[in-house]
Amino acid sequence: IAGITQAPTSQILAAGRRMTLRCTQDMRHNAMYWYRQDLGLGLRLIHYSNTAGTTGKGEVPDGYSVSRANTDDFPLTLASAVPSQTSVYFCASSERGAATDTQYFGPGTRLTVL
Amino acid sequence: GENVEQHPSTLSVQEGDSAVIKCTYSDSASNYFPWYKQELGKRPQLIIDIRSNVGEKKDQRIAVTLNKTAKHFSLHITETQPEDSAVYFCAASRKAAGNKLTFGGGTRVLVKP
Repeated sequence: IAGITQAPTSQILAAGRRMTLRCTQDMRHNAMYWYRQDLGLGLRLIHYSNTAGTTGKGEVPDGYSVSRANTDDFPLTLASAVPSQTSVYFCASSERGAATDTQYFGPGTRLTVL
Repeated sequence: GENVEQHPSTLSVQEGDSAVIKCTYSDSASNYFPWYKQELGKRPQLIIDIRSNVGEKKDQRIAVTLNKTAKHFSLHITETQPEDSAVYFCAASRKAAGNKLTFGGGTRVLVKP
């Protein structure tokens, strides 16, 4: 069992390019999340999905979009990357999306936008 | 929305000493407070959590306390060991918001042997 996987591990991207970060979980968790991690700012929620077919905006959604076509996959797309989107991106999942559920994190994707 | 502040941002302790990290939150409706540990280059992992109906929770060398009136909660690590060196994050969520966590800015803990 892999848990949560993310791809790519790291990426350098030219500003203005489109990029999709992939996230897959094999735990059959209903809820999934995307965070960005910046030094001194902790983890900030970008988008979330409580179940397949539904998505919602988090704290910092601008410039990002997500989809949840099935339970296992939750890709994050940057339509036109900007340097301020340079960050480490973590995908996470939880069993039900209930307030007290443990969130399990993927290994992260380090993205640099030049 | 919720705002979580975490202090200190860095903490250096001698091996065997205790470490304390404090967080304050703004939303009085928050009722779940997890703590995550992130080792260098690794993913965050839950180490302990506390619900609003409990004032203190312990798990071996780590404990968390919650003061709902003052809206703050703290992580206590006793008998620190080098493997406790990591970045620690507190977070808060409220039932109506589902599992959407608001994180503090993190505390980098260095345990000196």
